[in-house]
Amino acid sequence: GESVGLHLPTLSVQEGDNSIINCAYSNSASDYFIWYKQESGKGPQFIIDIRSNMDKRQGQRVTVLLNKTVKHLSLQIAATQPGDSAVYFCAENEETSGSRLTFGEGTQLTVNP
Amino acid sequence: NAGVMQNPRHLVRRRGQEARLRCSPMKGHSHVYWYRQLPEEGLKFMVYLQKENIIDESGMPKERFSAEFPKEGPSILRIQQVVRGDSAAYFCASSPYRQGNTEAFFGQGTRLTVV
Repeated sequence: GESVGLHLPTLSVQEGDNSIINCAYSNSASDYFIWYKQESGKGPQFIIDIRSNMDKRQGQRVTVLLNKTVKHLSLQIAATQPGDSAVYFCAENEETSGSRLTFGEGTQLTVNP
Repeated sequence: NAGVMQNPRHLVRRRGQEARLRCSPMKGHSHVYWYRQLPEEGLKFMVYLQKENIIDESGMPKERFSAEFPKEGPSILRIQQVVRGDSAAYFCASSPYRQGNTEAFFGQGTRLTVV
């Protein structure tokens, strides 16, 4: 399953499938990006990050892809599990200009057993 | 090592009252950030503090909101004369360095309801 653009806030996949969550960021000067997972009633939990000098980074079952040309970020989750159900946010930071993270609006991922 | 601790987890205030939200950063972290999350939305940056200093408050509303991070004790986000529009989840994050060099760790948030 794959979310398309910023205007699809929900993504529903079957357990075991791969998920792709997309994010378009706004600041071409951003040089640090993070994906967070937020479960209902909890705070954001760090998943994976990537710096602008890279275009791909892999973690355990997750991969982040960065396309600076079109200012696009994606999170791929392999073999999605019910425990992956949550809202996923991308966040961007421009390191030289300050400390703030700018968050995207989020995608609700639902994994069906 | 305890994570970022926020209290209270839930806070109900009547319009016009004051709300005080507390955040204790992770041990060894001297950088604290406050974010606000409205229902069904992403987090919005409010303020960045180091011990005894406000570094960046560009996301703070100009009136009624203030934040501090004293030499001793937790960081406090204070909202005076609350209005219904202040109802939101307020999250605190901490890091050992200025955010952007490394990930920040978030607390579980304080959910403020103004009635």
